[in-house]
Amino acid sequence: GEDVEQSLFLSVREGDSSVINCTYTDSSSTYLYWYKQEPGAGLQLLTYIFSNMDMKQDQRLTVLLNKKDKHLSLRIADTQTGDSAIYFCAESMQDTGRRALTFGSGTRLQVQP
Amino acid sequence: NAGVMQNPRHLVRRRGQEARLRCSPMKGHSHVYWYRQLPEEGLKFMVYLQKENIIDESGMPKERFSAEFPKEGPSILRIQQVVRGDSAAYFCASSTPRGGGETQYFGPGTRLLVL
Repeated sequence: GEDVEQSLFLSVREGDSSVINCTYTDSSSTYLYWYKQEPGAGLQLLTYIFSNMDMKQDQRLTVLLNKKDKHLSLRIADTQTGDSAIYFCAESMQDTGRRALTFGSGTRLQVQP
Repeated sequence: NAGVMQNPRHLVRRRGQEARLRCSPMKGHSHVYWYRQLPEEGLKFMVYLQKENIIDESGMPKERFSAEFPKEGPSILRIQQVVRGDSAAYFCASSTPRGGGETQYFGPGTRLLVL
């Protein structure tokens, strides 16, 4: 079955790197996403990675995918107070026709000034 | 190019009333998804629609909930005879299929409070 798990909370100091981790169970996952949600707001797509990739970098964001261990991580370099939010990883299995996203429960990132 | 629009942003209903949530996808997008987020939880898929078609409703409760995406106008998520447990944030996402996979873009959500 589908299951996506994340740790609930992460606290870092401004300027440090943040690493948010996610594990998933379904090996049929084809696309994996990171979304950011600020209080009272919708979800903002940050980045995504195809399952045949190991790494993707986009400015301060680096996504690492270990397909063998079904582990996904999001690294935010030089974390700023504006990065404080809830971060969700999500998977979809578009190759099997299931386009709906399965989300983790979210990791609340708190950035200390 | 306006993003995904949802209205109302906040909706208060008494138990037993009906709630209608509207979603206008991004321009050029033909797919709409509805998700529900309970407090302190992640989003759970409800239903996936294309124009005039329900493609996947595996996440919809069997009773009281329905969704449509007519040829003209927004997608509507309808909840009849609301109960307190329906209080949640309801998010709509839209996408358009591409050869390299599709990406869902989310609206700001409708926060439903049932008194």
